[in-house]
Amino acid sequence: KQEVTQIPAALSVPEGENLVLNCSFTDSAIYNLQWFRQDPGKGLTSLLLIQSSQREQTSGRLNASLDKSSGRSTLYIAASQPGDSATYLCAVRRYGGSQGNLIFGKGTKLSVKP
Amino acid sequence: NAGVTQTPKFQVLKTGQSMTLQCAQDMNHEYMSWYRQDPGMGLRLIHYSVGAGITDQGEVPNGYNVSRSTTEDFPLRLLSAAPSQTSVYFCASSYSVTSGNTIYFGEGSWLTVV
Repeated sequence: KQEVTQIPAALSVPEGENLVLNCSFTDSAIYNLQWFRQDPGKGLTSLLLIQSSQREQTSGRLNASLDKSSGRSTLYIAASQPGDSATYLCAVRRYGGSQGNLIFGKGTKLSVKP
Repeated sequence: NAGVTQTPKFQVLKTGQSMTLQCAQDMNHEYMSWYRQDPGMGLRLIHYSVGAGITDQGEVPNGYNVSRSTTEDFPLRLLSAAPSQTSVYFCASSYSVTSGNTIYFGEGSWLTVV
């Protein structure tokens, strides 16, 4: 059974710091891995999608990496800002049919202090 | 481009009442799904559909019913509401369950059962 773990559960950093959020999964047979951002009382916004054949994806100050063999992904946030404060979720998508649904981690709650 | 639209945003039900959460997408996506999000449990899959007329159960289907009569709509029915169904519900869609495409989420529906 696929399990997704995110460490740490919560993180508080001062503004301007570079930081790394971690995601690990137990089954390497995945289609892709997706990082989401969730603001309080809001839905999920997709940040980055990494296909199983890719090693990393970048968008602005965000960089996500994927190491399928070790079952790990990291989300790197450069020069953090108070507006980055949110909960970050990673999710893996298994191969097709009934397996093609997302399995989520429980998230890392990030707080960036001014 | 509306994306994934959920209604209602907030609802309070009495135990035993029934109701339907509506979900519609305008992206011609084949795959649609319903998740619930609970503190400490993360997001869990309730039901999903890989196309009109095809639905299947997810991880936590008991007490819920779905149908998919059109590509655009995927309503979630609570048959006889229980306090354990107090949660935040998210509808999601993507082009195909077997592809590596991004999954898009609605804004969520906050349900309280008293």
